Amino acid sequence: NAGVTQTPKFRVLKTGQSMTLLCAQDMNHEYMYWYRQDPGMGLRLIHYSVGEGTTAKGEVPDGYNVSRLKKQNFLLGLESAAPSQTSVYFCASSSSRSTDTQYFGPGTRLTVL
Amino acid sequence: AQKITQTQPGMFVQEKEAVTLDCTYDTSDPSYGLFWYKQPSSGEMIFLIYQGSYDQQNATEGRYSLNFQKARKSANLVISASQLGDSAMYFCAMRPYYGQNFVFGPGTRLSVLP
Repeated sequence: NAGVTQTPKFRVLKTGQSMTLLCAQDMNHEYMYWYRQDPGMGLRLIHYSVGEGTTAKGEVPDGYNVSRLKKQNFLLGLESAAPSQTSVYFCASSSSRSTDTQYFGPGTRLTVL
Repeated sequence: AQKITQTQPGMFVQEKEAVTLDCTYDTSDPSYGLFWYKQPSSGEMIFLIYQGSYDQQNATEGRYSLNFQKARKSANLVISASQLGDSAMYFCAMRPYYGQNFVFGPGTRLSVLP
């Protein structure tokens, strides 16, 4: 049972380069989320999705785009990476039940030089 | 807007002793859930315990219990009989019943001393 997987696990980019992070879940969850984690700031929501084909902005959406073409996948894109986007990125999914927890992927460590 | 406050950036506890990690929250939603997660140095996020705002009893899961005081808007995590493996970051989070987003606190780093 894979749960939530993220690809890649590590990446180094140069300023201005683009990349896409892939998140996949096999739990048939409706909701999916992208967070970034920076030291001392906990997890901050970038974008989220409540279903296939729908996305919405979170707390820190600038510089990122997302797509959810299939229910099980949620992609996070950086069109022109900046050093301020150096962070650890977590994907998570949850069911629509309000009492259910989120299930997290293992994280992607991104460094932008 | 919702907000989670964890006022203890770091905590130390002796092995086998109990420790309380503080969490206070602010919300205008009448119904919500509170969650605690553990993040060891390996980086994964591990769900520990859940408390619903209308639950009459404080939640317990093994050595973890939640001291929920609704009027004070606090949801402190109590870890009994601390073990070296409990050394980690701990995050408090909240989710409204009729919403889909989770709001996280900044976390508390717990160090268990042998």
